[in-house]
Amino acid sequence: KAGVTQTPRYLIKTRGQQVTLSCSPISGHRSVSWYQQTPGQGLQFLFEYFSETQRNKGNFPGRFSGRQFSNSRSEMNVSTLELGDSALYLCASSLDAANQETQYFGPGTRLLVL
Amino acid sequence: AQSVTQLGSHVSVSEGALVLLRCNYSSSVPPYLFWYVQYPNQGLQLLLKYTSAATLVKGINGFEAEFKKSETSFHLTKPSAHMSDAAEYFCAVSTGFQKLVFGTGTRLLVSP
Repeated sequence: KAGVTQTPRYLIKTRGQQVTLSCSPISGHRSVSWYQQTPGQGLQFLFEYFSETQRNKGNFPGRFSGRQFSNSRSEMNVSTLELGDSALYLCASSLDAANQETQYFGPGTRLLVL
Repeated sequence: AQSVTQLGSHVSVSEGALVLLRCNYSSSVPPYLFWYVQYPNQGLQLLLKYTSAATLVKGINGFEAEFKKSETSFHLTKPSAHMSDAAEYFCAVSTGFQKLVFGTGTRLLVSP
């Protein structure tokens, strides 16, 4: 079974621009979560989608948004990019939303904001 | 709020030595705990998870962890380190709706 895929793998943007990152979950998985990883703040939860509905959201400004499509693929968007948005963005998928379900992570999208 | 604390941002061992990475959790309910590993320029890979079925959990690559409620700990161990174990290790607790709260990570360095 193919793993979680994320595109693009690397991205360079300038301040003020917006960016869209894509995540394709493992086939059959309906829950998709997004995390931001930075050296200073570590791994932080952004949001989680299940059956096209956002069920949980982390403590990030409204510039960070996401959505999930009927095939469970997910996108996240960051508008008005700031230098501090430079990070590795990780997507994870799981079968459902139960606490004990394992989340399988993709390789991440590394975003550099100049 | 549920959280995890990883003691030691860096741990150095010699090849063949015991690996011990520490994780303590804070939770008002029975926790679901995970250990993930991250190799350079890669995503996170699950090593093992605790879901209350057994206190000693065996994972991949020879790693295991023991859940100790009295000590609120979930330390990761491996009897004999290998050079390929050099990576960053994260302890995490699931807080609901697939939100994982991660520790700050421990970088394992393995010397020949």
